[in-house]
Amino acid sequence: KNEVEQSPQNLTAQEGEFITINCSYSVGISALHWLQQHPGGGIVSLFMLSSGKKKHGRLIATINIQEKHSSLHITASHPRDSAVYICAVRSWDTDKLIFGTGTRLQVFP
Amino acid sequence: KAGVTQTPRYLIKTRGQQVTLSCSPISGHRSVSWYQQTPGQGLQFLFEYFSETQRNKGNFPGRFSGRQFSNSRSEMNVSTLELGDSALYLCASSLVAGEYTDTQYFGPGTRLTVL
Repeated sequence: KNEVEQSPQNLTAQEGEFITINCSYSVGISALHWLQQHPGGGIVSLFMLSSGKKKHGRLIATINIQEKHSSLHITASHPRDSAVYICAVRSWDTDKLIFGTGTRLQVFP
Repeated sequence: KAGVTQTPRYLIKTRGQQVTLSCSPISGHRSVSWYQQTPGQGLQFLFEYFSETQRNKGNFPGRFSGRQFSNSRSEMNVSTLELGDSALYLCASSLVAGEYTDTQYFGPGTRLTVL
């Protein structure tokens, strides 16, 4: 079993829909990151969380440390949101970043 | 402020050769991390450097090595290349490292193809 699991693996949405991507992890962490990767490879860091909730524009990230679970929400989705979204956790034990396998999101007009 | 730059962007090598990839972090950033991304394994952590010292290393064979210079620029080297080393190699920089790690800024990556 992977230490970081994301769901769903693939997601298709119509423009304007509310989207949720989930991340569960099994290790103790010092921080959780949400990353966005567009075709071509470039990765952008969206959020770094250690507790609670963060919001940036139409993106909201939450984390529940007790349940070892985080969600990334996209409100009013747009075709430019089409990308792979990757959850990564920094292990408290090893101090290494462990990545989920990513969620491929396609938003159609 | 210029972003993280990586050179070269694309590289084709043959089995048995060695390769050196370069990463220049954002000015003022002292931490550089390297990652390998393949379709089968996804993103995997290679190394993390801070102030010229390797802070952490992923589970890769000794053929993979790296270093960081006094100006925070970093290089990684892969010797005796294997077909399975074909991947996108990403570098990321941040102001600090470890427990107090802040946001990582990623470079565009170097796509290595081993024939």
